[in-house]
Amino acid sequence: AQRVTQPEKLLSVFKGAPVELKCNYSYSGSPELFWYVQYSRQRLQLLLRHISRESIKGFTADLNKGETSFHLKKPFAQEEDSAMYYCALSPLSGPGGYSGAGSYQLTFGKGTKLSVIP
Amino acid sequence: DAGVIQSPRHEVTEMGQEVTLRCKPISGHNSLFWYRQTMMRGLELLIYFNNNVPIDDSGMPEDRFSAKMPNASFSTLKIQPSEPRDSAVYFCASSLRRQGYEQYFGPGTRLTVT
Repeated sequence: AQRVTQPEKLLSVFKGAPVELKCNYSYSGSPELFWYVQYSRQRLQLLLRHISRESIKGFTADLNKGETSFHLKKPFAQEEDSAMYYCALSPLSGPGGYSGAGSYQLTFGKGTKLSVIP
Repeated sequence: DAGVIQSPRHEVTEMGQEVTLRCKPISGHNSLFWYRQTMMRGLELLIYFNNNVPIDDSGMPEDRFSAKMPNASFSTLKIQPSEPRDSAVYFCASSLRRQGYEQYFGPGTRLTVT
């Protein structure tokens, strides 16, 4: 079974300060990791995925298999970054290799509410 | 495309009543997911379908919950009878079933059971 842990329920930072939202996972196979974001009064939407190795809205996240972490970072927080952030995991392959059918569900962490103070 | 459509957006009902939540996935998507979001437990997967077939319903909390997907463009989540602890936001999401996929979420249905 897989598990995603986001240790902080709420994170408050000042505008212009660096941001790091923590995410740790537990999965015995090879995971695919995602960050989803929910802005106020909007739908939950994909922010970035580790496979793409992209930077979206200044955010980056690196998969650290040794520490089983996928922390989300941004060097300078903006007010518009205030939102709820969810880390999610999908099994890319099981302990014995690619698991095929039924391996596309996401397991979400409980989320971290980021508040950027002007 | 209007994205994933859910109805109703808000539902207030009394304990014991039947509640039906509806979802229309994005056209062409072949996977559909139902989630429940609460302050205490966060976002939980209830059930998901591939090509209209339920694959994993282990997240459905009790027999009071049931979900159907009669065709590729429609799914329902039913609670009968409803209880106050069912109060939550229920999300539907759809995706293409492939690696590196993205799940597209609906706006959610906020359910209040009094």
